[in-house]
Amino acid sequence: DIQLTQSPSFLSASVGDRVTITCRASQGISSFLAWYQQKPGKAPKLLIYAASTLQSGVPSRFSGSGSGTEFTLTISSLQPEDFATYSCLHLTGYPRTFGQGTKLEIK
Amino acid sequence: QVQLQESGPGLVKPSGTLSLTCGISGGSISTTNWWSWVRQPPGKGLEWVGEIYHSGTTNYSPSLKSRVTISVDKSKNQFSLNLRSVTAADTAIYYCARDLRVRGVTNAFDIWGRGTLVTVSS
Repeated sequence: DIQLTQSPSFLSASVGDRVTITCRASQGISSFLAWYQQKPGKAPKLLIYAASTLQSGVPSRFSGSGSGTEFTLTISSLQPEDFATYSCLHLTGYPRTFGQGTKLEIK
Repeated sequence: QVQLQESGPGLVKPSGTLSLTCGISGGSISTTNWWSWVRQPPGKGLEWVGEIYHSGTTNYSPSLKSRVTISVDKSKNQFSLNLRSVTAADTAIYYCARDLRVRGVTNAFDIWGRGTLVTVSS
């Protein structure tokens, strides 16, 4: 199975900050990586797919990059509604696996 | 737009079978999409359980394959999850989701149900 490791697991930041979350795959997955935002009691929300394609309706302050084994999710200027947990997901073969999640908290 | 809704018992006894259904509204199950189940134990990360195509073709997580069956009912526009021999470790929020197809390839899960908490306890 392909393992996805996110770093950091916890991140404390302030409104207006630029933050980056990394997702590393245990083997190459081309660009078949998606990023999700999840708030307590809610289903995951798709932000980015194909490593760097912004899902319709998602603010442009979110961006993704990478291919192969290393990927990043960047939020250019944190807004109050961005404090949540972020997870990556690979879709290269089976089983699909998620990263362990990064909890973004208000400093 | 397509919406998904999970339904089923919220409490299952140990060694019993967890059975959930995902109803699809605003669209048909008989499209080029695959339909998945994803679960999340309380306070933990997301785990893909398996998926089904409207033809009945399935793919399962190897860690659950011996206990899980996903089926489709096209007449009711829904798909279902059965997980046998459950233990407390199967306590989780269970989500159903639709895949996002780009040039015929799954690139994400773009539409999710709201999730349903299933607790395994006597």
